[in-house]
Amino acid sequence: GESVGLHLPTLSVQEGDNSIINCAYSNSASDYFIWYKQESGKGPQFIIDIRSNMDKRQGQRVTVLLNKTVKHLSLQIAATQPGDSAVYFCADDNYGQNFVFGPGTRLSVLP
Amino acid sequence: DSGVTQTPKHLITATGQRVTLRCSPRSGDLSVYWYQQSLDQGLQFLIQYYNGEERAKGNILERFSAQQFPDLHSELNLSSLELGDSALYFCASSVGRAQDTQYFGPGTRLTVL
Repeated sequence: GESVGLHLPTLSVQEGDNSIINCAYSNSASDYFIWYKQESGKGPQFIIDIRSNMDKRQGQRVTVLLNKTVKHLSLQIAATQPGDSAVYFCADDNYGQNFVFGPGTRLSVLP
Repeated sequence: DSGVTQTPKHLITATGQRVTLRCSPRSGDLSVYWYQQSLDQGLQFLIQYYNGEERAKGNILERFSAQQFPDLHSELNLSSLELGDSALYFCASSVGRAQDTQYFGPGTRLTVL
């Protein structure tokens, strides 16, 4: 079956640096992807999404890149701030059936 | 605040018992999703309802059931509880049936003793 996975379980970056969080997916038929941020004690919060007919999408300080050839997704956070510390999940819509979430990457922002 | 509400916030119960978790979606949202989040399993999709009808089913145990009412709120029923059912249960809602941004509630923390 399909799976969504993350390359690294933890990521530590210096405040002000850029962060890159990676995600691999296995279902080549997936056509919609979302990144969520989950802070401690809270529910996941939508960050940005991208459809398979796009390679790149930008939001406020965040950019998602999609490489369909290697089935890879990444989330770039510019000028990382302490408030960005959280667990980040990528999710795959499983060809419109339901969302499959990756295990998550914990981002720690160092002062 | 996502606009999705869940009650109760915390629930402590014993093995073998039955509990009901409640979710109210954002105003205007027709879909409700239920997820289970445990330390070793991450976020697991359980079930989705769209406008009162079951639309998609994930890794939901037979001991668990859900429904969406005419006013679009949803309830997740967990029965014959086991220790391993201890987890955070999230509800999310979205406007449409699929490929829609899901807005998550604050979750219900269930502890089974």
